Amino acid sequence: SQKIEQNSEALNIQEGKTATLTCNYTNYSPAYLQWYRQDPGRGPVFLLLIRENEKEKRKERLKVTFDTTLKQSLFHITASQPADSATYLCALDVVGDDKIIFGKGTRLHILP
Amino acid sequence: ETGVTQTPRHLVMGMTNKKSLKCEQHLGHNAMYWYKQSAKKPLELMFVYNFKEQTENNSVPSRFSPECPNSSHLFLHLHTLQPEDSALYLCASSPGTGATEAFFGQGTRLTVV
Repeated sequence: SQKIEQNSEALNIQEGKTATLTCNYTNYSPAYLQWYRQDPGRGPVFLLLIRENEKEKRKERLKVTFDTTLKQSLFHITASQPADSATYLCALDVVGDDKIIFGKGTRLHILP
Repeated sequence: ETGVTQTPRHLVMGMTNKKSLKCEQHLGHNAMYWYKQSAKKPLELMFVYNFKEQTENNSVPSRFSPECPNSSHLFLHLHTLQPEDSALYLCASSPGTGATEAFFGQGTRLTVV
């Protein structure tokens, strides 16, 4: 069955640097992949969606890449700020099914 | 606010109780979902409703019973739960199933004692 792995449970980055989070999947390539942000005690909030035929997507300081050869998506936050500290979740669709599955998430800490 | 409202925000129940979680959205979405989020585990999809019809039951024990009376409301009825069912229960909606973003509620923090 499809598995999602997000690079590390926690990541510390100095303010102003670029934070890069990794999402790897094991089996078939999904039609699309999504990234969400989750703050403690709150539900996830959608950030970006990238389709399998797109290499890169940008939104303000966020950039997502999708490499179906490597079975990997990278999520970048440039000029990171302490307010970017949160858990970031990767999600992808299950082919032929009405659902998406989520990774465990990476807790990002931006240090002032 | 995402437009998806869940009540209650917190719930403590005994193993013999019956309680219900409520989710409401007025975004005009056709698909609604229940997810379970436990510590150190990924979000687990429990149920999917599309146009009020249940299209997915992800091998969830029968002590969890969903109900979708209309496309704006979703309930999760709880009966004789176990302590390991303690978790954050999240409701989400989307315009349809497929390549669309999901809008999540704030969740209900459930503790079974």
